[in-house]
Amino acid sequence: AQKVTQAQTEISVVEKEDVTLDCVYETRDTTYYLFWYKQPPSGELVFLIRRNSFDEQNEISGRYSWNFQKSTSSFNFTITASQVVDSAVYFCALSNTGNQFYFGTGTSLTVIP
Amino acid sequence: SQTIHQWPATLVQPVGSPLSLECTVEGTSNPNLYWYRQAAGRGLQLLFYSVGIGQISSEVPQNLSASRPQDRQFILSSKKLLLSDSGFYLCAWSLGQGRNQPQHFGDGTRLSIL
Repeated sequence: AQKVTQAQTEISVVEKEDVTLDCVYETRDTTYYLFWYKQPPSGELVFLIRRNSFDEQNEISGRYSWNFQKSTSSFNFTITASQVVDSAVYFCALSNTGNQFYFGTGTSLTVIP
Repeated sequence: SQTIHQWPATLVQPVGSPLSLECTVEGTSNPNLYWYRQAAGRGLQLLFYSVGIGQISSEVPQNLSASRPQDRQFILSSKKLLLSDSGFYLCAWSLGQGRNQPQHFGDGTRLSIL
């Protein structure tokens, strides 16, 4: 069975602090893809990153970075020097066979000015 | 570039009334299409997905149905709405060939059942 767990329901940080959002997944497939999405208060989900199971190289994009570790089945997301505009709900998702995505329940991040 | 349009943005309907939400994609051919519901509490629940015209897969049995009359059109319907149908409905598309392609979402429809 496929499953994505985001244990952190809500996180609050003060602006300019770093914050890490955790994502743990379960799958029996050897080939799979992991994603992160951002859902700002306006509601639409914005695609942030895709990572395939054969590429464990960490990625950095500006203030965002992602740490993929197959050994612990984790795909964590770090925001450095957080800003108020980062306040949103963040979803981790898994895709393996077929055309389905499995989303975590999301982590609500509030950045306090 | 590809765009996805979803309407209406908000909808208030009485219990027992019918429903029709529409989603269209532009700028791509033969996309995979998806309907999700996000109830209070944020979790995304996949309702239906389609890999082609007339091909609909249902994930959750309920009083909703979906149709894909054209390649880039996906419709979510109900004959009689229930209170429990309230929520935020999101349409999404992805390129065909499935799992390695990110899904791109519409702006969503906030549905309130009275």
